Amino acid sequence: AQSVTQLGSHVSVSEGALVLLRCNYSSSVPPYLFWYVQYPNQGLQLLLKYTSAATLVKGINGFEAEFKKSETSFHLTKPSAHMSDAAEYFCAVSFSGNTGKLIFGQGTTLQVKP
Amino acid sequence: DAGVIQSPRHEVTEMGQEVTLRCKPISGHDYLFWYRQTMMRGLELLIYFNNNVPIDDSGMPEDRFSAKMPNASFSTLKIQPSEPRDSAVYFCASKRGQASEAFFGQGTRLTVV
Repeated sequence: AQSVTQLGSHVSVSEGALVLLRCNYSSSVPPYLFWYVQYPNQGLQLLLKYTSAATLVKGINGFEAEFKKSETSFHLTKPSAHMSDAAEYFCAVSFSGNTGKLIFGQGTTLQVKP
Repeated sequence: DAGVIQSPRHEVTEMGQEVTLRCKPISGHDYLFWYRQTMMRGLELLIYFNNNVPIDDSGMPEDRFSAKMPNASFSTLKIQPSEPRDSAVYFCASKRGQASEAFFGQGTRLTVV
C-alpha cells in the first residue's frame, strides 16, 4: 500500500542548531514529494517540492530536502534553526499514476528553544 | 489570485444540525481536496475531485458526510446530522495537474456542541 510516514511527532532543537525532520514513503511507483509548514490557526504553506528533477531541493526560509530513492526518504533539513521556525511540518506524497491523490504524514511539531 | 477561499472560518452548531462548508478553488485548478484535521488523527483526506468528478471518497467517515462540486469554482462539504466528534478543522485545497503542489485555504473550524 502507498503511504507516508513521519518519524517523530515532536522535535526540539536549540536556536542555531541543525533541524532534521524525517519522512519516508512506501510506493512501487515514482512519487512526487512535498513539505508543508503550518503555523498556528493557519492553513498549510508549501516549503518545497520534489518532482523528479534534482534530488536535492531547496525551499523557502533556508530549508532543503534530499530525495533518496534507495532509502525511500525525503528528509527536511535546515542548518541553523530560528525561533520563527517553530511550527508543525507535514510531508506529503502524490504517487504518479494515482490520479493525483495527495496524502499527508502525521506531522512533526518543531520546537525551537532559545 | 485570491487563493483558495473557504467559508465560514468558524462554525458552532448544535448536535443534530446540518452543517455546510464551502470552498472556492483557485481558478484554473483541476483538482480539489477536502481534508479534516484533528489532534488525534492528524490531516485526513476525506474526498477529492478531478475536473469536478469525485475520484476517491474512501476517506469520508460516514454517510452523514457528503461533498459536491457542481462546477469548477465551487464545492461544498455537508454534514447531516452533525455530531460532537465531527468537531475539527476542515481544509479545502486545490492544484493544477497531478505533479503540482496543492494550495490550501485557511480552513473552517467546526465545533459541534
